[in-house]
Amino acid sequence: GENVEQHPSTLSVQEGDSAVIKCTYSDSASNYFPWYKQELGKRPQLIIDIRSNVGEKKDQRIAVTLNKTAKHFSLHITETQPEDSAVYFCAASPLNRDDKIIFGKGTRLHILP
Amino acid sequence: DTGVSQDPRHKITKRGQNVTFRCDPISEHNRLYWYRQTLGQGPEFLTYFQNEAQLEKSRLLSDRFSAERPKGSFSTLEIQRTEQGDSAMYLCASSFGPSGLNTEAFFGQGTRLTVV
Repeated sequence: GENVEQHPSTLSVQEGDSAVIKCTYSDSASNYFPWYKQELGKRPQLIIDIRSNVGEKKDQRIAVTLNKTAKHFSLHITETQPEDSAVYFCAASPLNRDDKIIFGKGTRLHILP
Repeated sequence: DTGVSQDPRHKITKRGQNVTFRCDPISEHNRLYWYRQTLGQGPEFLTYFQNEAQLEKSRLLSDRFSAERPKGSFSTLEIQRTEQGDSAMYLCASSFGPSGLNTEAFFGQGTRLTVV
């Protein structure tokens, strides 16, 4: 089955700097890669997603890149702001009958003033 | 429709008791997922429904866990003979899309289970 590894587990960046979170997946059949943000005590919410037919996607300060050959994908946040502090989860979903979504263990992002 | 709702929000139970959680997905969402999340970890896949059919159950799920989705609408997750290790946040999520085309999964606020 699919296995998603996420690094780093904790990341601290100065406000205004960029943050990068990296994930790898094991199932080459995966074709959908969402990223979720979870603030303390709240539910995970989708911030951006990418499909396997696209190499990069951008939405304002957030971008995601996908390398299918290497089976890894990354989240880039530019010009970080205090409200970016949260736990971020990557996930992968294989193009199989079950379409389940498998999550990484998360990255706790701290934005330092 | 205000999103995925879960009930109860919190549940404290004694070890050995049975508990049942309910999830109401967003209307017309055909996919429904159950996840378990412990502190500092990502959502761990438990089981998944497409309409009323349970398509997969995680190997991590013991026989004490069972889930249903009658009529393809709400779902229930039952844990029998609870153990302290079952203490966690149980998250439900739903999405809509044909087989092979995944779309955004919307999460409920979860049910926090504490087994004492």
